[in-house]
Amino acid sequence: AQSVTQPDIHITVSEGASLELRCNYSYGATPYLFWYVQSPGQGLQLLLKYFSGDTLVQGIKGFEAEFKRSQSSFNLRKPSVHWSDAAEYFCAVGDSYNTDKLIFGTGTRLQVFP
Amino acid sequence: DSGVTQTPKHLITATGQRVTLRCSPRSGDLSVYWYQQSLDQGLQFLIQYYNGEERAKGNILERFSAQQFPDLHSELNLSSLELGDSALYFCASSVRQGGKYNEQFFGPGTRLTVL
Repeated sequence: AQSVTQPDIHITVSEGASLELRCNYSYGATPYLFWYVQSPGQGLQLLLKYFSGDTLVQGIKGFEAEFKRSQSSFNLRKPSVHWSDAAEYFCAVGDSYNTDKLIFGTGTRLQVFP
Repeated sequence: DSGVTQTPKHLITATGQRVTLRCSPRSGDLSVYWYQQSLDQGLQFLIQYYNGEERAKGNILERFSAQQFPDLHSELNLSSLELGDSALYFCASSVRQGGKYNEQFFGPGTRLTVL
């Protein structure tokens, strides 16, 4: 069955430090992959997506992610974290087999210390 | 702002009641999706409509139903509410044309509290 795993429930970093959020997926074909961010009390904002092509994708707010088929991973990175990046981050895979639904991971809560 | 609107923002009601959540997709988007976000289940897909027709169902209870109207807005109806239905309900929309997969854009959500 298709699934997404985000092994880190909570990550704390200092402002200015680099960030990597992990995401592993289980999917039978080439996946459509997404990272969304949810700030407290807010909806989900799309950070970036991977459909095909270049495995390193750039998103908004200075984020990037790398698709590694051999590792079934799609990790999110940012070279220098800002205090405003504190939020919950969700990795998702788009199920293109029978539906268009998104299958989400459980999320990683990012805390940023000044 | 994603361009997807949801009303109301908050809803507080009692067990056994019925509520309707409303969603307007982005201009030009034909597909509407409903998701439920709860502490114990995380983000779960409920149902998808495409151009007025039901396209896919997920973990949606029989007490819940949805529809998409000719102007493409959608409503999610929740009836015989239970305490466990308290959650954040998101609507998302996408273009979804010609069989090509497209990203989904999410609304701000409706927070439902059942007392």
